[in-house]
Order: sequence, then structure tokens, then C-alpha cells
Amino acid sequence: DTGVSQDPRHKITKRGQNVTFRCDPISEHNRLYWYRQTLGQGPEFLTYFQNEAQLEKSRLLSDRFSAERPKGSFSTLEIQRTEQGDSAMYLCASTSAGQGNQPQHFGDGTRLSIL
Amino acid sequence: AQKITQTQPGMFVQEKEAVTLDCTYDTSDQSYGLFWYKQPSSGEMIFLIYQGSYDEQNATEGRYSLNFQKARKSANLVISASQLGDSAMYFCAMREYNNAGNMLTFGGGTRLMVKP
Repeated sequence: DTGVSQDPRHKITKRGQNVTFRCDPISEHNRLYWYRQTLGQGPEFLTYFQNEAQLEKSRLLSDRFSAERPKGSFSTLEIQRTEQGDSAMYLCASTSAGQGNQPQHFGDGTRLSIL
Repeated sequence: AQKITQTQPGMFVQEKEAVTLDCTYDTSDQSYGLFWYKQPSSGEMIFLIYQGSYDEQNATEGRYSLNFQKARKSANLVISASQLGDSAMYFCAMREYNNAGNMLTFGGGTRLMVKP
């Protein structure tokens, strides 16, 4: 039983570079969520997909952030022109739609450090 | 206004004793769910327990139980017989069912430290 997988686990990059993270959800889950967690805080919601449709993206932090889930399976989160303030843990979660008591299952996260 | 408030930044508990982690929430919805997650230092978020707003009984999962007081809008996590491996961050989260995406709103977390 594979869980949510995120790649890479850690990413160190220079300010101004573009970065892309990948998330593979649990295979039977049709909903996929991205969250950001800064040091000492709880995760904050960024965006989510139901199958391949991105149904909520107003919480993406700026137009430098974008996400895709082209075939309704894995998803990518891209940050363009990274800034120091983008340093954080980026978490992906998945669940099945329709049953509100089902928990979101999280991956181990990608920790981004901007030099 | 904060939707989820966890007022205890850090807590100590003696091994084998019980501990209560506080969580209060704010919503005008009638239908919502409350979740607790554990986050060890390695970073993964581990689901612990769920309470629905219409559930009449407090949820229990092994050593975890949820003290749900709807009128007070509180959903405190009780961990019985603490173990050293319980040392971690604990997050309370709410899912409001009137938002189509059912995304979670998290509190700021409580760091629990279990003393041997």
C-alpha cells in the first residue's frame, strides 16, 4: 500500500531560479491538495485538483506559483523566480471526494531552501 | 479571525501519563469535521483522529481520544499513557463542508515533549 510520494525531499536553489516539485498521490484518490508550511506554523492551503481539473487556485501566493495535474494522476507545483520568502516545506495530500470524514493523506513534503 | 486556535505552543508530559492538547475553532457552518495530525521531526503529517460535527459520541482511536464540546467549539486531543515516540508537533485542523474543495485549515500546532 503506497502512500503519497513527493520528490525531491529537499531542494536548495539560488534566488531567482525556477523550481518544480512533483507529487504522486495514492492511486485511487481523485483529489490532490498542495499546502505550504513555514517554520513553526501549521500548513496553509494553496490549491487543489479533482482529477485533472484545478478547482481552487485563488490561494496560490502569487502569480509566480502554478500547479498542474495533466492526466489526473501526479501533480507538479512550480515556483518561478524564487524569492527568499519562498523557503518553506511544500506538502502534498490526497483523498477521495465524496466522503467528508476521509482524512487527507500527506506526503513527506519537499523542503525548499533559497540561498 | 483565526479559525483554529491552539493556545499551547509547547507541552511537557511524563512518560505513561495522559496529556490533553487544546484546540478551539470558529465556524458558522453546521456541517464540518475536525482532524488531528501528528508531525514528527522527520516532517510527515500523520492522521490521528477525526470528529464530525454531527457525531454524538467522542471519537476514539487507540490511545487517542477527542474531547468534543460543540457548544464551546473545542476539540481537544487526549493522549493516554504517553510514550517517548509521541514527542512531536500536533496540529488540529478543520474541514468546512460548505467549501467545495474541503480543504483543511490548520492551527499553529503544539509541540509535545515526553519526558522519560
